[in-house]
Amino acid sequence: SQELEQSPQSLIVQEGKNLTINCTSSKTLYGLYWYKQKYGEGLIFLMMLQKGGEEKSHEKITAKLDEKKQQSSLHITASQPSHAGIYLCGADQAGTALIFGKGTTLSVSS
Amino acid sequence: DAGVTQSPTHLIKTRGQQVTLRCSPKSGHDTVSWYQQALGQGPQFIFQYYEEEERQRGNFPDRFSGHQFPNYSSELNVNALLLGDSALYLCASSLMAAGQSNSPLHFGNGTRLTVT
Repeated sequence: SQELEQSPQSLIVQEGKNLTINCTSSKTLYGLYWYKQKYGEGLIFLMMLQKGGEEKSHEKITAKLDEKKQQSSLHITASQPSHAGIYLCGADQAGTALIFGKGTTLSVSS
Repeated sequence: DAGVTQSPTHLIKTRGQQVTLRCSPKSGHDTVSWYQQALGQGPQFIFQYYEEEERQRGNFPDRFSGHQFPNYSSELNVNALLLGDSALYLCASSLMAAGQSNSPLHFGNGTRLTVT
């Protein structure tokens, strides 16, 4: 079965700094989804990537899917306290239910 | 436009008891998926309901069962509760006809279940 590994598990960055979170799949990804979760709350959809080499941006967050469609990265530029939370990558294999990585906990210090 | 709503928000049960969690999907959505999220872990897929039938199921025992009603709302039932069932239970909705790529999952805020 497909597994998603996220790194780092957690990180603390100073406000204004850039950061990158990675998500690696054991199998080729059909669709890769990024979600954000505040502790104890539901998941908020950020972006979806489907094509190899695809890149999407929303405000200061950019997500990329590599050409082989087995790895994705989430990059935050000039981090703010509002970016703090748990970032989860999710993947599906052609119509199957989404599976998720364990998440990356981001803390932003001011 | 109401999003996904779940009830109750918190619940405390004793080992061996049974529990029912409820979910109303986002307006316009017809598919409901349930996930279990243990502390420090990612959500684990339990099952998905569409047209009042279970369409997909994850690796969970038969103690976990569900139901979808004609108005698309759904229930998750867990029998013979174990301490290990303590978790955040998340409901997510989507539109089946749009496909996963055009209708990403919308999540509720979850029900925090504590089993003592």
